[in-house]
Amino acid sequence: AQSVTQPDIHITVSEGASLELRCNYSYGATPYLFWYVQSPGQGLQLLLKYFSGDTLVQGIKGFEAEFKRSQSSFNLRKPSVHWSDAAEYFCAVVPTSGGSYIPTFGRGTSLIVHP
Amino acid sequence: DGGITQSPKYLFRKEGQNVTLSCEQNLNHDAMYWYRQDPGQGLRLIYYSQIVNDFQKGDIAEGYSVSREKKESFPLTVTSAQKNPTAFYLCATSLAGTQYFGPGTRLTVL
Repeated sequence: AQSVTQPDIHITVSEGASLELRCNYSYGATPYLFWYVQSPGQGLQLLLKYFSGDTLVQGIKGFEAEFKRSQSSFNLRKPSVHWSDAAEYFCAVVPTSGGSYIPTFGRGTSLIVHP
Repeated sequence: DGGITQSPKYLFRKEGQNVTLSCEQNLNHDAMYWYRQDPGQGLRLIYYSQIVNDFQKGDIAEGYSVSREKKESFPLTVTSAQKNPTAFYLCATSLAGTQYFGPGTRLTVL
């Protein structure tokens, strides 16, 4: 079975600073990889996804993520954080075999943005 | 507009009561899911359904039940057997691995 680790429970950055949120996964092959964002009291919204091909993927709101097979990582980055980026961020993996597409989510990283 | 609706947004339950959370979608997706979210625990899968009239238990199905009589609807019943039901409940659909989420229902046991 696959697993996902988001090692940082909370991250605090200043507005305008760069951001990197870490995600490591365990799976026997390359899974489908996702980042979702959740504002308080709301559902999750897809930021970006990786299925195959170019290992640097662009998403909405100026986010990008890089898939590194050798490190089993899919870290999320943003060059300049805005106060509106404060939210909970979830990494998820979906197995590419079996056909069930049942995702496994990390426990989330809470992003705090200081003015 | 295509999307997922969940109702009610807030729900209060007395101990010993069953309550049903609604989830409706017009995305025409076959697969639907229910998750429970508690602070610091991420999303935990309760039940999922990949086709009408069929559903499977997830990781924490005890104390919950579902039905899938229509493609558009996947209601979740929280039964009195669920000992700690206070949580945020999220419904989702899926297409080729990508999940699409509803706005959630917050259930509180009084």
